[in-house]
Amino acid sequence: EVQLVQSGAEVKKPGESLKISCKGSGYSFTSDWIAWVRQMPGKGLEWMGIIYLGDSDTRYSPSFRGQVTMSADKSINTAYLQWSSLKASDTAMYYCARRFCSGGSCYLGSYDIWGQGTVVSVSS
Amino acid sequence: QSALTQPRSVSGSPGQSVTISCTGTSSDIGDYNYVSWYQHHPGKAPKLIIYDVTQRPSGVPDRFSGSKSGNTASLSISGLQAEDEADYFCCSYAGHNTFVIFGGGTKLTVL
Repeated sequence: EVQLVQSGAEVKKPGESLKISCKGSGYSFTSDWIAWVRQMPGKGLEWMGIIYLGDSDTRYSPSFRGQVTMSADKSINTAYLQWSSLKASDTAMYYCARRFCSGGSCYLGSYDIWGQGTVVSVSS
Repeated sequence: QSALTQPRSVSGSPGQSVTISCTGTSSDIGDYNYVSWYQHHPGKAPKLIIYDVTQRPSGVPDRFSGSKSGNTASLSISGLQAEDEADYFCCSYAGHNTFVIFGGGTKLTVL
């Protein structure tokens, strides 16, 4: 089964650093784009950015550029999202999602495989 | 760029049809045919149900359909079933600076 498995819930204090992961299984993701999506408590989805696992080419939403860093290790089919200094406002569920491709075409803004989500709680 | 605008909630009885709107601007929905829709049951991963405005991925029932007019996209669900009760999010490509934006989400209640 093709799936994305995310790392477990995190409880952190403001100012701490954090790196969460998203590991693909079921086939090789090295030619895939993986997006990160935030959902703050009681709110909608927000697209944070996307990374190409093949060469770590990255695109950030203007709202998140400079706030987080996306990286990837294609040798282990894993994408990462990291913060150098967390804020309470980073408290949210974070999803990774694979860009949808079918029949040789890939579709902008469409994501067919989602991770189960990682809850990040930041509080003093 | 602001999120796409969706109604907070819609409702319908089993067997009925509902339509959820998603309003953007000429820089996103109005400029690109890259609108997708997701069904999200709380506690589960979102599920892609429509891509490229009108296309359904394999396995998605044809009760779900998408359309677009101007800056507004719509998701229609016919023959409502209890399991359709969920949150629905629209999403649009918005160009090479903003890239992708989501709607605020619509809660569908099946009465």
